[in-house]
Amino acid sequence: AQSVTQLDSQVPVFEEAPVELRCNYSSSVSVYLFWYVQYPNQGLQLLLKYLSGSTLVKSINGFEAEFNKSQTSFHLRKPSVHISDTAEYFCAVRGTRALTFGSGTRLQVQP
Amino acid sequence: NAGVTQTPKFQVLKTGQSMTLQCAQDMNHNSMYWYRQDPGMGLRLIYYSASEGTTDKGEVPNGYNVSRLNKREFSLRLESAAPSQTSVYFCASSARVGTASTDTQYFGPGTRLTVL
Repeated sequence: AQSVTQLDSQVPVFEEAPVELRCNYSSSVSVYLFWYVQYPNQGLQLLLKYLSGSTLVKSINGFEAEFNKSQTSFHLRKPSVHISDTAEYFCAVRGTRALTFGSGTRLQVQP
Repeated sequence: NAGVTQTPKFQVLKTGQSMTLQCAQDMNHNSMYWYRQDPGMGLRLIYYSASEGTTDKGEVPNGYNVSRLNKREFSLRLESAAPSQTSVYFCASSARVGTASTDTQYFGPGTRLTVL
């Protein structure tokens, strides 16, 4: 069975500061990992995903995540956040039927 | 190209009433999903359809039924609504047949349902 743990339900941060959103997973099958973002009153959108190859994956808007097999982690980072990054972020692992999502981390960027 | 659309956007029901949530995608995707989102619990899979003509139960199917009407449309029905079904419901789709793929899932805007 697959599961995802997002340890932080809320992360407040000031604009232009760095941020890390933590994600740990467990999986009994091949590991494929995803980060989705949900802006207020919208559906989820894919931010980035790890399927194979380089363990560091990047999004077009400056986020990156590193797959760490030994620590079973896939933490999301950004060196300098903007107000527009305020959203809820979900880590997910591919299961046998569909994606299994974590409980989400609400990123609140303050001016 | 509208992507994934859902109707209605908001709905208030009384306990025991029934309703159908509609979902349609115009991306020629094969797989479709229904999730519910509750505070602190992330998204949980209700039902899914790996291809036109097939449906299967997800993590939390009790109290729901689905119909894959054709390749574009996947509806979710609540036969007798209960307060525990108050939630935000999301429909999603992905390209390939079979839901255990690594394809990106595309989500609709959601339906916010309140059951009194």
